[in-house]
Amino acid sequence: GENVEQHPSTLSVQEGDSAVIKCTYSDSASNYFPWYKQELGKRPQLIIDIRSNVGEKKDQRIAVTLNKTAKHFSLHITETQPEDSAVYFCAASGSFQKLVFGTGTRLLVSP
Amino acid sequence: DSGVTQTPKHLITATGQRVTLRCSPRSGDLSVYWYQQSLDQGLQFLIHYYNGEERAKGNILERFSAQQFPDLHSELNLSSLELGDSALYFCASSATRGQGYGYTFGSGTRLTVV
Repeated sequence: GENVEQHPSTLSVQEGDSAVIKCTYSDSASNYFPWYKQELGKRPQLIIDIRSNVGEKKDQRIAVTLNKTAKHFSLHITETQPEDSAVYFCAASGSFQKLVFGTGTRLLVSP
Repeated sequence: DSGVTQTPKHLITATGQRVTLRCSPRSGDLSVYWYQQSLDQGLQFLIHYYNGEERAKGNILERFSAQQFPDLHSELNLSSLELGDSALYFCASSATRGQGYGYTFGSGTRLTVV
């Protein structure tokens, strides 16, 4: 069935360092891969997404890479700031374009 | 404001009771998805409706049911509530089935069963 694995479950970095979160997916038909940021007690918010015809996408300090052959994609955050602290979810499109979410990564950026 | 409206924001009820959570999608969105998020857990997919029809079911308990009305708002009904049903319930909407658009989430309903 459709499955998305996400690693690590927690990630602690110092302010200014880079952070990388990795996901693998099982459905070779997946063609859309969004990333969501969820602050404590708030709704998940889309921060960046990538489609299967693109290998990399950047938006200021965040970037996402996709390797369709290996069925994995990654979120890269550079020059991390304390306000980047949150839970990050990756997702992959499944049947009927339902998104299948990873289990989340809790990122803590220490000043 | 994301454009997806969920009511109520908070709900406290006793075990054995029944509650209804409401979601209004963004204007023009035909799909509504319901997710359950327990404390410090991930997003558990419950059910997906598209233009009034059920499209997919996830790990939704038999005590839970949902529907999408002609005006596209959706309701999630939770009955015979148990302590373990306490969670944040999100709905999300998306633009078009088959286009791979991302979801927009509502602010959630925090359900506490006591």
